[in-house]
Amino acid sequence: RKEVEQDPGPFNVPEGATVAFNCTYSNSASQSFFWYRQDCRKEPKLLMSVYSSGNEDGRFTAQLNRASQYISLLIRDSKLSDSATYLCVVNEGIGTYKYIFGTGTRLKVLA
Amino acid sequence: EPEVTQTPSHQVTQMGQEVILRCVPISNHLYFYWYRQILGQKVEFLVSFYNNEISEKSEIFDDQFSVERPDGSNFTLKIRSTKLEDSAMYFCASTRTAGLGPYGYTFGSGTRLTVV
Repeated sequence: RKEVEQDPGPFNVPEGATVAFNCTYSNSASQSFFWYRQDCRKEPKLLMSVYSSGNEDGRFTAQLNRASQYISLLIRDSKLSDSATYLCVVNEGIGTYKYIFGTGTRLKVLA
Repeated sequence: EPEVTQTPSHQVTQMGQEVILRCVPISNHLYFYWYRQILGQKVEFLVSFYNNEISEKSEIFDDQFSVERPDGSNFTLKIRSTKLEDSAMYFCASTRTAGLGPYGYTFGSGTRLTVV
């Protein structure tokens, strides 16, 4: 069974803190990797794709380690508005249209 | 920014009834999907649809479920004879390309289905 595993949290951090989330995936054939953000009872929204070389988008940095099948997300200078659940998402493999979602890591940024 | 539109936002139905959930994908997208999320659980794949046919479906997507693109814009999920355990948030998504690539899905805001 192909799985994506995340620490569910919650991570409670003060405003301005740096926080990191990790995710592992079981299928070595997976090719596409993403972090999505989901607010309570809302749809997942794409935060960023994750590339092999690592990539950054403002305060957010994503890393991929294919050998260890591990993805990370780093959030610097946390804002109250970053409070949400962060979903690690991986495509199931070559020749499939299907994405596998992790259970998500809940982040609460405190004033 | 283009968006995926889902209706209704909330549907309450009696066990055993049929429901149709509606989605309008982004107009130049070619691949369409239904996912569901039971409260407190992970988002789960149901089905993908391309070129007017199902390209892939999960074990959840049994004979109770069907999908259709009845015209050029709508994409529907029909659930026949609903069960209590069908209560969930149902998300429609669309993409320009297949699952590979960096673009990810654009999800609609979801239909909350409550079976009573």
